[in-house]
Amino acid sequence: GAVVSQHPSRVICKSGTSVKIECRSLDFQATTMFWYRQFPKKSLMLMATSNEGSKATYEQGVEKDKFLINHASLTLSTLTVTSAHPEDSSFYICSARDPVGLGGYTFGSGTRLTVV
Amino acid sequence: AQSVTQLDSQVPVFEEAPVELRCNYSSSVSVYLFWYVQYPNQGLQLLLKYLSGSTLVKGINGFEAEFNKSQTSFHLRKPSVHISDTAEYFCAVRPQAGTALIFGKGTTLSVSS
Repeated sequence: GAVVSQHPSRVICKSGTSVKIECRSLDFQATTMFWYRQFPKKSLMLMATSNEGSKATYEQGVEKDKFLINHASLTLSTLTVTSAHPEDSSFYICSARDPVGLGGYTFGSGTRLTVV
Repeated sequence: AQSVTQLDSQVPVFEEAPVELRCNYSSSVSVYLFWYVQYPNQGLQLLLKYLSGSTLVKGINGFEAEFNKSQTSFHLRKPSVHISDTAEYFCAVRPQAGTALIFGKGTTLSVSS
């Protein structure tokens, strides 16, 4: 089946630094990927839709300049949290639409970001 | 716009008991429906999905769900739960013409012996 690999699984960074999270589709091409943020005991909040070769579409209230998304190839999307602050600490999960015909979505294993 | 309501935030049950996790959705267009499970500090794993056809959908780990269009519901059921079923469960919808999933707030299933 479709597999999405997300790295790193955990990262601790200092305030003011930037962190890059990678999301790869391992055995299929993903023209569209999605980035979610999950707060403790809360549901997943869609941050942005990442489209290969074009600019990401951000949801209302998500800062484009803080959460930079790049989808330069059919198998890789990256989320860079710039000038991170403690309030950016969260669980970030990426997702890709399954190959045509399967109708579903496959999720990465998530990244726990802690900003100190 | 679409929305998903998971009616129970927490469901405690004893091992081998049956369980139902409720999900209602609101949409003015046709949707696809999904149930995902999340274990601590992990991503989401698909339990089952309804795209079309039979309204009773069987998934992994003995779970099943029934799509009820008139009641706009997609409740998840399991006849006998195990300790290992303890996790967070999310119901999600996607407009047939849309792209991203819209999630409910989740239901914490706690199975005890």
